[in-house]
Amino acid sequence: EAQVTQNPRYLITVTGKKLTVTCSQNMNHEYMSWYRQDPGLGLRQIYYSMNVEVTDKGDVPEGYKVSRKEKRNFPLILESPSPNQTSLYFCASSQGGHRNYGYTFGSGTRLTVV
Amino acid sequence: AQSVAQPEDQVNVAEGNPLTVKCTYSVSGNPYLFWYVQYPNRGLQFLLKYITGDNLVKGSYGFEAEFNKSQTSFHLKKPSALVSDSALYFCAVRVPTSGTYKYIFGTGTRLKVLA
Repeated sequence: EAQVTQNPRYLITVTGKKLTVTCSQNMNHEYMSWYRQDPGLGLRQIYYSMNVEVTDKGDVPEGYKVSRKEKRNFPLILESPSPNQTSLYFCASSQGGHRNYGYTFGSGTRLTVV
Repeated sequence: AQSVAQPEDQVNVAEGNPLTVKCTYSVSGNPYLFWYVQYPNRGLQFLLKYITGDNLVKGSYGFEAEFNKSQTSFHLKKPSALVSDSALYFCAVRVPTSGTYKYIFGTGTRLKVLA
């Protein structure tokens, strides 16, 4: 089944403790992206990657890091989480370039930073 | 600035009645427009898209959307609502950026279909 898999689904952590949210897709998609969803703000893009070793900032990159060492994986790293990063996070993938006609989304990771 | 607006936070409709969820956009050039649906505790699922051609596009679960260039709108519609259609709906537009594309999402509209 074609899918984007995120782990974990739920995570509670303390301020300052580094964490990684994993994302993997099995569709050989070039383009991958991370979003956060907050009430009243919709989805905001954190980082995106056009292909292996090619990443760039989205609209709200502060406090986050990403890497794209393999085509299928695109982990999101919070080096020192803070409470304002409490949110629902989604990873998404799509074909690249002009064939980019919409995303496949993961099921989401609900992160709480206390 | 390029943007997508969903003017209604929530839409209530009785089961069996037609439903409309509104979306307007502000982008330069020809827009590629999308609707996604989010059920509780799930990720967003693709419903339909407009790229070019017929202004009325049909998608999953009996939904359709009408592209109106003069009004810069892309409203989501369904002739007869089901209770199971209750969910959060997002409109999105694809825009070019830095050699690739990005998607701008609206803030979402919660649809409640009442039995």
